[in-house]
Amino acid sequence: EPEVTQTPSHQVTQMGQEVILRCVPISNHLYFYWYRQILGQKVEFLVSFYNNEISEKSEIFDDQFSVERPDGSNFTLKIRSTKLEDSAMYFCASSEFGQGPYNEQFFGPGTRLTVL
Amino acid sequence: RKEVEQDPGPFNVPEGATVAFNCTYSNSASQSFFWYRQDCRKEPKLLMSVYSSGNEDGRFTAQLNRASQYISLLIRDSKLSDSATYLCVVLASGGSYIPTFGRGTSLIVHP
Repeated sequence: EPEVTQTPSHQVTQMGQEVILRCVPISNHLYFYWYRQILGQKVEFLVSFYNNEISEKSEIFDDQFSVERPDGSNFTLKIRSTKLEDSAMYFCASSEFGQGPYNEQFFGPGTRLTVL
Repeated sequence: RKEVEQDPGPFNVPEGATVAFNCTYSNSASQSFFWYRQDCRKEPKLLMSVYSSGNEDGRFTAQLNRASQYISLLIRDSKLSDSATYLCVVLASGGSYIPTFGRGTSLIVHP
């Protein structure tokens, strides 16, 4: 069964450093997403991406964040200058359709980011 | 503020029990609804979409009540493996398709 993969599974970084989280969405999916989940809290939407551009972003997704699809398979989230409060699980997801009841999103296993 | 609210948990039920969760949403423009399950420290996995007419998938039944702005999930004949957190997800229409997640309801099924 096709699945979304993410690397690394755990990333530890110093405050102020840049990190890049990587994702390989399901191959025939066209819509890609990043979410974060701070420990013990709800899943929060960060950004959606379609046709090589951002389609939606939340207020969390400020100038320190960026996304890129550098090739035909990878989808990355860059955090430019990490803060302590960026520590969270970051989930990538992909879907075949963008909206409506068929917007069934498949999540990767997540990258746990720890900022020290 | 647009929110998705879920029943407080945890729900602690014996195997074989029937359990129901509710989720209310505040944005009347919401159009698409989903239930996901999330095991401890794992990723959310889609359980089912919720259609206007309601839908059933084996032991799971989802209902939508637009007038009262809530969706429900009914689990019949609970199994130990149903123990997880159940997340309600709502997508609004009207230009912004940002998915909003509820905090989840924890279900513990015991022998």
